[in-house]
Amino acid sequence: DADVTQTPRNRITKTGKRIMLECSQTKGHDRMYWYRQDPGLGLRLIYYSFDVKDINKGEISDGYSVSRQAQAKFSLSLESAIPNQTALYFCATSDPVILNEQFFGPGTRLTVL
Amino acid sequence: GDSVTQMEGPVTLSEEAFLTINCTYTATGYPSLFWYVQYPGEGLQLLLKATKADDKGSNKGFEATYRKETTSFHLEKGSVQVSDSAVYFCALSDTGYSTLTFGKGTMLLVSP
Repeated sequence: DADVTQTPRNRITKTGKRIMLECSQTKGHDRMYWYRQDPGLGLRLIYYSFDVKDINKGEISDGYSVSRQAQAKFSLSLESAIPNQTALYFCATSDPVILNEQFFGPGTRLTVL
Repeated sequence: GDSVTQMEGPVTLSEEAFLTINCTYTATGYPSLFWYVQYPGEGLQLLLKATKADDKGSNKGFEATYRKETTSFHLEKGSVQVSDSAVYFCALSDTGYSTLTFGKGTMLLVSP
C-alpha cells in the first residue's frame, strides 16, 4: 500500500463550490505539506504543518484553508473554487531527522469550470 | 528569499546520450540540495541529495555535485535510457530544514 494517499485523484467542480482534498500517510511523519503544480511554474507551497497544533501559510495560501485532523491526516479546502485554482495538487510528508526529504502522494487533478 | 533556477525544457535526447540539467540557487546560510524526479502520472520522488559543499549525490546512474563557489547543483548522467523520460526538479532546503524551495522543473524526453 502507498505510504501517502490522496483522495480524490481527479475532481471536476464548478466555480463557487466548496471542495476538500484529503491526504493520509502511514509513514508516521509529523510534517505534512500541500503544494500545487502548474505547467511552467513548478511546485508552490500552499500550507504546511509541523505537528497537529502547528499550521503555517506557504507561498500561495490565499483562497485555501487546511485542517490537520490527526498526525496522519491533512486536508486542503477551497472555500469557493475559482477557475485559476485548476491545477495538480500534491500532499507530502517529511521527517526532519533525515534532512527534510519529502515523500509525495500521487496527486489530485482538480478542474474548476 | 531562497530561489532555485533550472534550465528550461524540454530536453530531448537519444538513448545513450549524455545528460546535463543545470541548476543554480540563491540562499542564505548553508542549504541542502536535492533532485526530485516525477514520472508521468506520478508524484515526485527523491533522486539524490547533498548536504554540504563538494558533496556528490548519486543514484541510478545520476550524479550531482554541490558547488558552493558557483552556487550550482547540476544533474548529470552518462548514458540516458528511454525510461529516464520524466520531469526533474532541483530543490533546496534551508539551514533550518523547514521547507523546500523548488525550481520550475525540466522535462526530459529520451527517444530510442
